[in-house]
Amino acid sequence: AQSVAQPEDQVNVAEGNPLTVKCTYSVSGNPYLFWYVQYPNRGLQFLLKYITGDNLVKGSYGFEAEFNKSQTSFHLKKPSALVSDSALYFCAVRDLRSNDYKLSFGAGTTVTVRA
Amino acid sequence: DSGVTQTPKHLITATGQRVTLRCSPRSGDLSVYWYQQSLDQGLQFLIQYYNGEERAKGNILERFSAQQFPDLHSELNLSSLELGDSALYFCASSFMPGDSYGYTFGSGTRLTVV
Repeated sequence: AQSVAQPEDQVNVAEGNPLTVKCTYSVSGNPYLFWYVQYPNRGLQFLLKYITGDNLVKGSYGFEAEFNKSQTSFHLKKPSALVSDSALYFCAVRDLRSNDYKLSFGAGTTVTVRA
Repeated sequence: DSGVTQTPKHLITATGQRVTLRCSPRSGDLSVYWYQQSLDQGLQFLIQYYNGEERAKGNILERFSAQQFPDLHSELNLSSLELGDSALYFCASSFMPGDSYGYTFGSGTRLTVV
């Protein structure tokens, strides 16, 4: 079984401050990990992924995420948040051992960046 | 534009009715996934097709069915609709099942059952 937990429903930060959105995962084997962002009335947009290699993954719009195997975490970070980063963020995981290929998503974290 | 096309964008229908949601995958993608997004359940995986064949089933109700056609477009059929079926239905596609590049999502169909 595979699952994702996003412990915070909401994250509020001031523009220019660092932004962190937390994600922990559970899989039987090795994980593929993804972050997606959803703006109002839009579909999910891919931000970044971790497959193998460097634990620090860089993605779109200045976002990065750090894979931590011992803590089973994949937190999303941005050094300096913008008002335009306000959106709903989803972490997702796929277990490489599973026979199906579905992504399991977390419940989502609403990020609000105030000017 | 992500390349994944979903129609219609909005649908309002009455309880007990049947609707069909359509998805055209990104050009070259062979695999299609359907997800339901509701306020209380979050994003739930419904079903996956690869090159016309069903590959995986998630939390899909028996009142719901789907198929992928030879031209690779997919349809999700929802019947005997209930108020609780109101949600945003997303289609996603990838070249291969479990493509490590992740999936490309459409903009969704917002279904409202009244």
